[in-house]
Amino acid sequence: EAQVTQNPRYLITVTGKKLTVTCSQNMNHEYMSWYRQDPGLGLRQIYYSMNVEVTDKGDVPEGYKVSRKEKRNFPLILESPSPNQTSLYFCASSLTSGANVLTFGAGSRLTVL
Amino acid sequence: AQSVTQLDSQVPVFEEAPVELRCNYSSSVSVYLFWYVQYPNQGLQLLLKYLSGSTLVKGINGFEAEFNKSQTSFHLRKPSVHISDTAEYFCALNSGGYQKVTFGTGTKLQVIP
Repeated sequence: EAQVTQNPRYLITVTGKKLTVTCSQNMNHEYMSWYRQDPGLGLRQIYYSMNVEVTDKGDVPEGYKVSRKEKRNFPLILESPSPNQTSLYFCASSLTSGANVLTFGAGSRLTVL
Repeated sequence: AQSVTQLDSQVPVFEEAPVELRCNYSSSVSVYLFWYVQYPNQGLQLLLKYLSGSTLVKGINGFEAEFNKSQTSFHLRKPSVHISDTAEYFCALNSGGYQKVTFGTGTKLQVIP
C-alpha cells in the first residue's frame, strides 16, 4: 500500500530534550515536506526537500532541522524543543513539486512540557 | 508571493442542505489549486484539484469547485451534505514553478442532523 509513515504518533517530552520524528514513504517520491498544524493557523510548512541532499526552509523553520540522506526518509529533528513547538506535525510527499498531489502521513502529536 | 484565504473558520449546515466553502488566493503567476479534507484524527487527503482546462472541477464524495480567475477564487460546493462530510477542509495553492504549497487556515464543516 502506498503510504507515508510517521513515528511516533504521540510524544510527550520536556524542554531541551532532543527528539526526532521519522518520516518514510514507499512511493519513490522526489518531494517531501514537513508541516505543523496549529488551531486557527492551518498548515505551515517547516522544511521541504526536492530530492536527496536537497533541502530548503519553509515558512517556520526556526528550531527545526531536517536531512535527506535517502530518497524514502525525511526525519524532522528538534535539537532543543520548547513549549511553543507543541503542535501536530505532518509529513507529506509527492512525485515532484508543483502540480502533484501531496500524500500525507497520519500525523505526530508532540507535547513539550 | 502566494497566499490563500479561507474566510470562514466554521460552517454549520443541516444535513441534506447545500454548502459552499470559500477560498480566495493571491498569486502573480499561473496557479495550481487544491482542496484537501481532514477527517477527525486523520491526515489530509485530496478532495479535488485544478491544474488547467475546465474551470469546474469535480472531486470525490460529490464535491465540486469552480476556478474563477477574475475573482481569484476557488470555492468548494456540495449540493447536499451528509453527516459523514463533517471534517476540516483546506484550500491549497501552488504557483507555477514555485517549490512550495501554501495552505489556507482551514474551514470546519459541521453537519447537523
